Amino acid sequence: DIQLTQSPSFLSASVGDRVTITCRASQGISIYLAWYQQKPEKAPKLLISAISTLQSGVPSRFSGSGSGTEFTLTISSLQPEDFATYYCQQLNTYPLTFGQGTKLEIK
Amino acid sequence: EVQLVESGGGLVQPGGSLRLSCAASGFSFSSYWMTWVRQAPGKGLEWVANIKHDGSEKYYVESVKGRFTVSRDNVKNSLYLQMDSLRAEDTAVYFCARATLYLNAWGQGDLVSVSS
Repeated sequence: DIQLTQSPSFLSASVGDRVTITCRASQGISIYLAWYQQKPEKAPKLLISAISTLQSGVPSRFSGSGSGTEFTLTISSLQPEDFATYYCQQLNTYPLTFGQGTKLEIK
Repeated sequence: EVQLVESGGGLVQPGGSLRLSCAASGFSFSSYWMTWVRQAPGKGLEWVANIKHDGSEKYYVESVKGRFTVSRDNVKNSLYLQMDSLRAEDTAVYFCARATLYLNAWGQGDLVSVSS
């Protein structure tokens, strides 16, 4: 199985900060990497597909990059509504797997 | 508007069975792969199963193989997850999701609790 390791697992930041979350895969996953945002008691929301494709309606302060086995989600200027948990997911190989999540909290 | 609504969850004893349903609307259900994802209390997301748009291909996470069965009815625009031989570790909120490879629409989730 392909393991996805996110770092950090917890992140404390302030409104206006630039933050980066990393997702490392145990083997290459081509372009099949997605990022989701989940708020408490809500379903996850797809933010980015295929490493860097921003979904419709997602603010441009979110961006994704990377290749091979290392990928990043960057939020350029944190807004109050961005405090949530973020997950990466690989869709290259079954079983599909998620990272363990990164909880972004207000400092 | 795309809508996915799960139902059928609840409390069940270990070894018991439960069938989750996911009612889809607002899109051409028969054209999409569909997915089940679960989330144990306070934990992260775990992919459970995928089913092809015509039901001809199904994939499962190892921990549910032989116990869970994913199916769909494209006439009723519904997705199902038959869960047998349930264990305490299956306790989770179960989400259905539409897959355009990536999971771009999700239901609100339904809680399954396995406990005696």
